[in-house]
Amino acid sequence: DAGVTQSPTHLIKTRGQHVTLRCSPISGHKSVSWYQQVLGQGPQFIFQYYEKEERGRGNFPDRFSARQFPNYSSELNVNALLLGDSALYLCASSADRMNTEAFFGQGTRLTVV
Amino acid sequence: EDQVTQSPEALRLQEGESSSLNCSYTVSGLRGLFWYRQDPGKGPEFLFTLYSAGEEKEKERLKATLTKKESFLHITAPKPEDSATYLCAVQAPWGFGNEKLTFGTGTRLTIIP
Repeated sequence: DAGVTQSPTHLIKTRGQHVTLRCSPISGHKSVSWYQQVLGQGPQFIFQYYEKEERGRGNFPDRFSARQFPNYSSELNVNALLLGDSALYLCASSADRMNTEAFFGQGTRLTVV
Repeated sequence: EDQVTQSPEALRLQEGESSSLNCSYTVSGLRGLFWYRQDPGKGPEFLFTLYSAGEEKEKERLKATLTKKESFLHITAPKPEDSATYLCAVQAPWGFGNEKLTFGTGTRLTIIP
């Protein structure tokens, strides 16, 4: 079985640009969460979607947005990129809304220059 | 606000030298405490979820325990392949937006052959 897949794996963007990150959950999983992990820190919660509805939003500016599609895949969008947005962006999927067992993808390494 | 503190930040052990990693937490009620393993540049790998004080779970050389204020990850006779960063996360009780995981900064474990 395929795990959580994220694309792209690496990305370099310039300040002020926009970026879209993609996530395909494990087959049958309806919950997708996004986390940002800065080097040396633990992951920080950005969004959760379950059954295409937003279930939670972390303490991130409105430049960050996300959505979940009918096939449960998800996109994370970040506008007006700042240098501080450079991080590993992680997607986690779970079969249930409460993330009883949340499985992470390999992440997208975003570098803003 | 939920807080998770992990100690030590880094730990170097000789192969076969058993030890424990600590995760202390402050949360307004605890639904679950999660342990993950993360290799450099990769997404976290799910290990355990613990739900109530006194609960224990084991996987190979790892055993996780939970009290009302902290959790321990015991590693018995570790091998070099156990080298990784171990992350602890907590989840608040049921409620809208409480499905997120709040992570600590991790313990970087190095096992020396």
